[in-house]
Amino acid sequence: QSALTQPPSASGSPGQSVTISCTGTSSDVGDYNYVSWYQQHPGKAPKLMIYEVTKRPSGVPDRFSGSKSGNTASLTVSGLQDEDEADYYCSSYAGSKNLVFGGGTKLTVL
Amino acid sequence: QLQLQESGPGLVKSSETLSLSCSVSGGSISRSSHYWVWIRQPPGKGLEWIGNIFYSGTTYYNPTLKSRVTIAVDTSKNQFFLNLTSVTAADTAVYYCARDRLGGDFSFDNWGQGTLVIVSS
Repeated sequence: QSALTQPPSASGSPGQSVTISCTGTSSDVGDYNYVSWYQQHPGKAPKLMIYEVTKRPSGVPDRFSGSKSGNTASLTVSGLQDEDEADYYCSSYAGSKNLVFGGGTKLTVL
Repeated sequence: QLQLQESGPGLVKSSETLSLSCSVSGGSISRSSHYWVWIRQPPGKGLEWIGNIFYSGTTYYNPTLKSRVTIAVDTSKNQFFLNLTSVTAADTAVYYCARDRLGGDFSFDNWGQGTLVIVSS
C-alpha cells in the first residue's frame, strides 16, 4: 500500500485561505468517502478536524472545510489564524479494513 | 471526558518485542461500539496506522505490519495492548493509542498523548 501524496509545505498570511491537497488512487480516496484530516502541533497528538470528506467534529471551527474530486481530497483553511500553523495529515480508508495516511503538510502562517 | 494513556518501556532492544498498554478512563471499552486503535509516528515523519481492535477481540491490522503485530484487549481492566515482534531501528517512533469515531469510517477522535519507543542495537 502506498501513502497518500500531500505537498510538504503550504503557507498563507493571516486572514487568507489556503488549500492542502491529498492525492490517492481509485482504490482509496477515489473509491470511498472516508477521508479524514488531522491537525498536529509540535509535540502534541493529532486532532481530528474533518471526517467523511466534509464533516467537522463538534468544536472544530467552520473555517476548516473538506472536499473531494476524483482521487484527490482537499482541506481548505479560511481566515487563517496564527494558531492554524501546524502539520496536517490526511487519511483514507483503502478497503479490506485498511487505512492509509498522507505524508503530511506543514502549514506556515506568514 | 474520555482519556487514553499509553504506557510501556521507552527503550527496546533490536530483535526483541515491543509491548505497550493503553489505559482508557472516562468511558468503558466494552460498553461502546467504538474500535480502539494503535498508530505510530517515527521522529520527524508521518503517521502510520498499525491496527484496530473491538472489545469482542476482532482485530484489523496494517498489511505491512500484520506478520509482527498483535493487538489485544482486557475489558476488565479497560485496557488494550500492542505487541510488535522482531523490532528494528525502523520501529523507533511515538506510539499513540486512539479511539475510532462511531461509524466505522476509520477516523480517530480521541488520542492519547503518545509514548516514544526507541529501538536500540
